[in-house]
Amino acid sequence: QSALTQPASVSGSPGQSITISCTGTSSDVGNYNLVSWYQQHPGKAPKLLIYEVTKRPSGVSNRFSGSKSANTASLTISGLQTEDEADYYCCSYAGRSSLEVFGTGTKVTVL
Amino acid sequence: EVQLVESGGDLVKPGGSLRLSCAASGFTFSTYTMTWVRQPPGKGLEWVSSISSSTSYIHYADSMKGRFTISRDNAKNSLYLQMNNLRAEDTALYYCAREGYDSSGYSAYWGQGTLVTVSS
Repeated sequence: QSALTQPASVSGSPGQSITISCTGTSSDVGNYNLVSWYQQHPGKAPKLLIYEVTKRPSGVSNRFSGSKSANTASLTISGLQTEDEADYYCCSYAGRSSLEVFGTGTKVTVL
Repeated sequence: EVQLVESGGDLVKPGGSLRLSCAASGFTFSTYTMTWVRQPPGKGLEWVSSISSSTSYIHYADSMKGRFTISRDNAKNSLYLQMNNLRAEDTALYYCAREGYDSSGYSAYWGQGTLVTVSS
């Protein structure tokens, strides 16, 4: 099972909106509404931001939103803040044999 | 409060074995699928293995099949990963994670990780 494809880096100014794409195949992203997104600050454990494509866990800012179209999922961060500077990973269910596959990761820089 | 504490990481020679443990607290351990995810130094996340609440379903990433064994002791609120025939490419920070609900497919809570280094 190959990793999902994410852009290596995305940047934006404070207050702007940015979108991170996550491209898979019809065997993972395109076949299940089971895409999740994680935020990881340096030296820290990942934190769940989005699950089941669009749902936000309690406590996660509504500046984070998820969507999906065909084989590509997206994470949008609106009203970009300095604390949003981190690495972001998508993850998709990929069926009984491979179960879960992560994306390659995207480094978000706040200019 | 959900807490996951990994232990057992160490420096091991290629071909060696290691057993990782994850002590869980703050939730009813026996009702959740548990997962191991690893992260090589400076690289991205990689799903390793998952085990359902009753151990009915156990899954491994292809590169770990036959070498790694996941298990759990619901009476001890503990998750384990037995790693055999270790390779240099297994060097990583290994995270224990709890899924959102049994077989949910996403990891809602994560431990801080335990470092495994495979080197001669």
